[in-house]
Amino acid sequence: GAGVSQSPRYKVAKRGQDVALRCDPISGHVSLFWYQQALGQGPEFLTYFQNEAQLDKSGLPSDRFFAERPEGSVSTLKIQRTQQEDSAVYLCASSFLPGQDNEKLFFGSGTQLSVL
Amino acid sequence: AQRVTQPEKLLSVFKGAPVELKCNYSYSGSPELFWYVQYSRQRLQLLLRHISRESIKGFTADLNKGETSFHLKKPFAQEEDSAMYYCALRDFGNEKLTFGTGTRLTIIP
Repeated sequence: GAGVSQSPRYKVAKRGQDVALRCDPISGHVSLFWYQQALGQGPEFLTYFQNEAQLDKSGLPSDRFFAERPEGSVSTLKIQRTQQEDSAVYLCASSFLPGQDNEKLFFGSGTQLSVL
Repeated sequence: AQRVTQPEKLLSVFKGAPVELKCNYSYSGSPELFWYVQYSRQRLQLLLRHISRESIKGFTADLNKGETSFHLKKPFAQEEDSAMYYCALRDFGNEKLTFGTGTRLTIIP
């Protein structure tokens, strides 16, 4: 297809609102990652799925952040009670098979979240 | 904890001049090192990885374990090299990447 697809492209939320960010990985890709990129910083790891299993959520900054991938394809990152410090670009990435020498990670265009 | 440092936020180089983007890391195990690039209005994409020992778009990077560095080099810069470059590290057996803060490279015509 067209690559990793993320929606919405931009999201403005009032402080305290809940938001849901969607990632549609490349068809057949087993691995899916979420990264958070604050302004002027590099991407920071949030969580990792292999199919529907969330194998690593060590990067989620608080229990307000929750991610799921129930059928091993589309993933949703949910942020409850958004705070201003949550403002960032949220990047999704996928790859075909984990642990392969020639494995390549494909990134989406990101969702830019602004919390007012 | 693993850490990736890119000391230059901005780097300007004249077209045709050599380019070196610095990357240092701190990690006690055997890391995999990568360079990712983001061209204007495009997605983040893999440029090269140290395991492959490849040259992509004229860029090369050598992993120096003694100096814990993985600097990106190109002998003759081209205008289309202007972009944001990120160095990243991955622990063997772990899937997550740790990125540096990035260097914005501008090639002056």
